[in-house]
Amino acid sequence: EAGVVQSPRYKIIEKKQPVAFWCNPISGHNTLYWYRQNLGQGPELLIRYENEEAVDDSQLPKDRFSAERLKGVDSTLKIQPAELGDSAVYLCASSLVGRNEQYFGPGTRLTVT
Amino acid sequence: AQKITQTQPGMFVQEKEAVTLDCTYDTSDPSYGLFWYKQPSSGEMIFLIYQGSYDQQNATEGRYSLNFQKARKSANLVISASQLGDSAMYFCAMRETSQGAQKLVFGQGTRLTINP
Repeated sequence: EAGVVQSPRYKIIEKKQPVAFWCNPISGHNTLYWYRQNLGQGPELLIRYENEEAVDDSQLPKDRFSAERLKGVDSTLKIQPAELGDSAVYLCASSLVGRNEQYFGPGTRLTVT
Repeated sequence: AQKITQTQPGMFVQEKEAVTLDCTYDTSDPSYGLFWYKQPSSGEMIFLIYQGSYDQQNATEGRYSLNFQKARKSANLVISASQLGDSAMYFCAMRETSQGAQKLVFGQGTRLTINP
């Protein structure tokens, strides 16, 4: 069974530029999460989807971040415009409803210069 | 307030020895879950083990066991017979309910290095 797929793995952009990350969850997993992991810290939840509905986006900086999950499968996280402080690893995870464990993708390492 | 505390930023252990990674947590919810994840240098978070707050037995998964002491609010990970491939960052996490939604809150992590 394929795991959570994320692309790109690495992205370097200049500040004020837009950037987008893509995530394909494990087949059949209807819950999808986006996390941000700053260097030397644990991941922090940005947004959680149940199917196509964003059920928890309280930690998403909505002035510059947006996310969508069309058809309840793939998801895209966008930053526009990017700031230097957005440099981090962006992790996507998925899980089955009623299951405790979340399965993570390899992440996208974003560097904003 | 810190929800998950991992007090060991780094641990160095000899191969084949057992190692305990510390984790304490803070919650007022009667129902919660505790997780351990491994993050190798490749970056992917790998689920290791889960303990529910109402579970009577300590969780075990192969060489991993979770030493759950509810009264002390600790959930230490024990790795028996450590291997070189165990070298990685280890994160303790707690599932908490916030505004009706459940999310994972992670600690700062412990970097484990296994020496040959």
